[in-house]
This record gives sequence, structure tokens and C-alpha cells, in this order.
Amino acid sequence: DSGVTQTPKHLITATGQRVTLRCSPRSGDLSVYWYQQSLDQGLQFLIQYYNGEERAKGNILERFSAQQFPDLHSELNLSSLELGDSALYFCASSVGGGVSDTEAFFGQGTRLTVV
Amino acid sequence: GENVEQHPSTLSVQEGDSAVIKCTYSDSASNYFPWYKQELGKRPQLIIDIRSNVGEKKDQRIAVTLNKTAKHFSLHITETQPEDSAVYFCAASKKGGSQGNLIFGKGTKLSVKP
Repeated sequence: DSGVTQTPKHLITATGQRVTLRCSPRSGDLSVYWYQQSLDQGLQFLIQYYNGEERAKGNILERFSAQQFPDLHSELNLSSLELGDSALYFCASSVGGGVSDTEAFFGQGTRLTVV
Repeated sequence: GENVEQHPSTLSVQEGDSAVIKCTYSDSASNYFPWYKQELGKRPQLIIDIRSNVGEKKDQRIAVTLNKTAKHFSLHITETQPEDSAVYFCAASKKGGSQGNLIFGKGTKLSVKP
């Protein structure tokens, strides 16, 4: 167990819908990262939050948004869902935001299926 | 931004043989290079990492080498076992800067045949 908790584990929804994925980082970790892993694809970096503020942005679509709350948990919101959004979404956390980082620990992921 | 290329995409070896996976990165400012192992349906787990101030690091049957000049790093697994079968991802990051996010290669599916 990495200490990073993601809910739900599985999510099936229809095209056009909106979903929210949740991530609770390890105790003490200030950074949260979101990654998308599609079939036969690597881990695509979406966005990073550090202590409540957006720190880095990757290949995140405009239909997607995220935030990190005061208790440091994070939510990834996916809207106007398309079939191609079906993927495994991972959250990872680390202690720092770049100054004194340790390794990033991954959650178990949320498998999103858009039908 | 950073781009990480990983080769090969698939690798099949006999149990007991060695396996080598290679990655190149584009951003010379990257200074942290972890390797993750992902078993089917599970989360990626860190197996070894190296920082830019060293050229090689070993942990039992696993070693990583880094060539900063050529901007490439490699994972070496010796005496492979069937339980080493998984997808391996390399990554690069600029630790110590304002951003600590990892940019991953596309992964190598390693199959170790008994």
C-alpha cells in the first residue's frame, strides 16, 4: 500500500457526461500529480498541484480541470466525456514541489470507461 | 518541454539472462531519473532512481547507468526471474526547480520465459 488513496476504483459513464475523480495523498505529502494511462500508452502527465496551488501543467485538455483543497486532497474533473477519454487515471504524491523532493508514490488508479 | 524516448517497447528474455532497457531525454536541465515497474492492473512502483550527480547505482539485481553528456540512461536487470515480467517505465524530472513532475517514456513490456 503506497498510502495514496484514489476513489472510485472503477467508473463507467456515458459520452457527454461529467465525472470527478478523487485523490488523497500520503500523509505529509504536499504535491499531487495526475496522470492518464490509455491502452498501450505510457503515463501522460496532466497536472501538478503543490500545497493548493497549480504548479505544472502537461497535456491536459480544456475539458479537464483539477484542484487541490486545503486538506490537500485533490479532485480531477472530466467533462463532456468522449470515448477516447477511457483510460486509467493515476494520482501520485510526493513530499515537496521541487525543492526537496522524494520519490512520487502512486495510487491504485481509477479506471474510467466511457460508453 | 522534456521528452523521454524508451526502447525497446517489448523485450523477451530467458530466465537467468540479463535485460537492458534504454531511455534518452531531451532537457539537459533534468536531474532525476527514476524507473517504475508496473504489473498488470496495478500501480507503478519505483524500483530504482538516479540523480545527475552519479553515473551508476545498483540495488541487488538491478542497476541504472546515466550518461549526462549523451542524455541517456539505462536499466539493467541481471539473473532475470519470471516475477520480473512487467512493464517498465523510465522517467525524467527536474527536481529542485519549481516543478517536480515526472515525464515518462512509453514503457517496455518485459517477458521472462521460464
